Amino acid sequence: DVKVTQSSRYLVKRTGEKVFLECVQDMDHENMFWYRQDPGLGLRLIYFSYDVKMKEKGDIPEGYSVSREKKERFSLILESASTNQTSMYLCASSPGTLNTGELFFGEGSRLTVL
Amino acid sequence: KQEVTQIPAALSVPEGENLVLNCSFTDSAIYNLQWFRQDPGKGLTSLLLIQSSQREQTSGRLNASLDKSSGRSTLYIAASQPGDSATYLCAVKVTNAGKSTFGDGTTLTVKP
Repeated sequence: DVKVTQSSRYLVKRTGEKVFLECVQDMDHENMFWYRQDPGLGLRLIYFSYDVKMKEKGDIPEGYSVSREKKERFSLILESASTNQTSMYLCASSPGTLNTGELFFGEGSRLTVL
Repeated sequence: KQEVTQIPAALSVPEGENLVLNCSFTDSAIYNLQWFRQDPGKGLTSLLLIQSSQREQTSGRLNASLDKSSGRSTLYIAASQPGDSATYLCAVKVTNAGKSTFGDGTTLTVKP
């Protein structure tokens, strides 16, 4: 079975803290994505990556950065957390070119910034 | 810019009914369309994936259709059960390596 694992299901952080959200996939997928999901705003893409050390800004990259040092791992970093970054964060992966493009999601990380 | 709309936003039906969820998109040049289920506080679970060259896909009680020319997809759920209660989202991808555009979802409640 395909698997996308997000290391933390629930986190509570203070304003100004640096936050790392980790995502690992075991499917050898080239593409990985970070979304946030908020009531009334749906899923919004933060960053995505086509390959190791590659990254592309999504629709709402401000206040976030990412790291992809290994193919299976894609990290989302909040350099200085703010209360408006309280949200559900969802990681996803999909295979590369000449494939179905099917998206697979992790279970999500619920972040609360106080 | 691709836009995806799902109507209705919420739907409540008695157990046993057959139902249809709708998804419409503005740009017909898509690579694939994917239907997901999301339970409260959880991630998205893939239900069905339809490639642009396909017209429909089936899995158990679920059937998804795709009409690119009209920019529409439907998810048909047969003989609904209380366990089908969840939010259903559709997502459209324009290229294989590209990002997906999601609808806001339809929240389904199936009453026993």
